[in-house]
Amino acid sequence: RKEVEQDPGPFNVPEGATVAFNCTYSNSASQSFFWYRQDCRKEPKLLMSVYSSGNEDGRFTAQLNRASQYISLLIRDSKLSDSATYLCVVDRSSASKIIFGSGTRLSIRP
Amino acid sequence: DTGVSQDPRHKITKRGQNVTFRCDPISEHNRLYWYRQTLGQGPEFLTYFQNEAQLEKSRLLSDRFSAERPKGSFSTLEIQRTEQGDSAMYLCASSPDAPEQYFGPGTRLTVT
Repeated sequence: RKEVEQDPGPFNVPEGATVAFNCTYSNSASQSFFWYRQDCRKEPKLLMSVYSSGNEDGRFTAQLNRASQYISLLIRDSKLSDSATYLCVVDRSSASKIIFGSGTRLSIRP
Repeated sequence: DTGVSQDPRHKITKRGQNVTFRCDPISEHNRLYWYRQTLGQGPEFLTYFQNEAQLEKSRLLSDRFSAERPKGSFSTLEIQRTEQGDSAMYLCASSPDAPEQYFGPGTRLTVT
């Protein structure tokens, strides 16, 4: 079993829809959590950190559930430009313990 | 542009040749990471520097791989005797004393 697991998708949703995906992690010692966005053949870019209390940045909401060991990303009012792969990242506060998920592909259709 | 830069962006080499990649991090960032990414997978950690000190190396990093950051600024990643399985995107990232990382555009290596 992978330490960080994501549904690879693709999630294909219409513009304006709300979409959510989860990422599960297996190591309860994990301390920091992030969502990165990666466009096709580009580098990953930090989308948002995930805080224990949950956090929101515009149309994006990230939540952490330590008891069930998952983080989630919710995108409201999706735009065509949201089409990308979303990478979940779990950090056990050691460089070699920064684990990226394989990513969830999201495609927004007009 | 003051982001992370990598050179070259693409490298095609024949099996058995040596290759070297360079990464220039954001200037005030003391942490530097190397990752490898293959199609359909997330980046896999290779090695980490804090300033000039190489503090961690993945078990993925065989003895054919070596990385340096001689003055705590730019870093190089060398692969000796390349194999076809080394074909991948090699990503460099930097960060200040914080877990968030900023990635460079990557070097795409193709070993023929």
